[in-house]
Amino acid sequence: DQQVKQNSPSLSVQEGRISILNCDYTNSMFDYFLWYKKYPAEGPTFLISISSIKDKNEDGRFTVFLNKSAKHLSLHIVPSQPGDSAVYFCAAPDTGNQFYFGTGTSLTVIP
Amino acid sequence: SQTIHQWPATLVQPVGSPLSLECTVEGTSNPNLYWYRQAAGRGLQLLFYSVGIGQISSEVPQNLSASRPQDRQFILSSKKLLLSDSGFYLCAWSLTGTTEAFFGQGTRLTVV
Repeated sequence: DQQVKQNSPSLSVQEGRISILNCDYTNSMFDYFLWYKKYPAEGPTFLISISSIKDKNEDGRFTVFLNKSAKHLSLHIVPSQPGDSAVYFCAAPDTGNQFYFGTGTSLTVIP
Repeated sequence: SQTIHQWPATLVQPVGSPLSLECTVEGTSNPNLYWYRQAAGRGLQLLFYSVGIGQISSEVPQNLSASRPQDRQFILSSKKLLLSDSGFYLCAWSLTGTTEAFFGQGTRLTVV
């Protein structure tokens, strides 16, 4: 059972525009969410996170929004740059230290 | 600072041969350790996780096994590889009570 879901496998955006990557979850006990960025043949690297006590967290060009009632979070990248092209994973740890990952969204930023 | 080492980076093995992928973490004690596989359409699939030496939880029944002979060492093994074992394998670690996992560079396994 996929507790963290990313329903868009791919996304293409023009350079300079906004990229919006979406993530849904089913476990209402999740209280912390993370986004990871992964380049081909490399391990994922941490990008940004958000606690369930917040609805927004911003770090430079990256902002994550959390809607707890909808069990939905999104990652906004503004402005998008070609170097942002990668696969983005949404993740949430449970209280037992097990991490649940979405299936990833492959972002392509077109110059 | 903490670091995670995973090797080899790439591996080509014939069907039926054994497998051993190793992962070690430095700079921390008693980490939680994970083996993931990135599969097309399934994202990062958790294969095994361990909260201590000799404690292994298997999430997906398959042709693989894991062992944790030392606190900061996690090994992924197979006695006989299948073609379906091809994929990108990632080791990761976290600390109990924290909210981030850190990944190794991954191993691209191709079974031929």
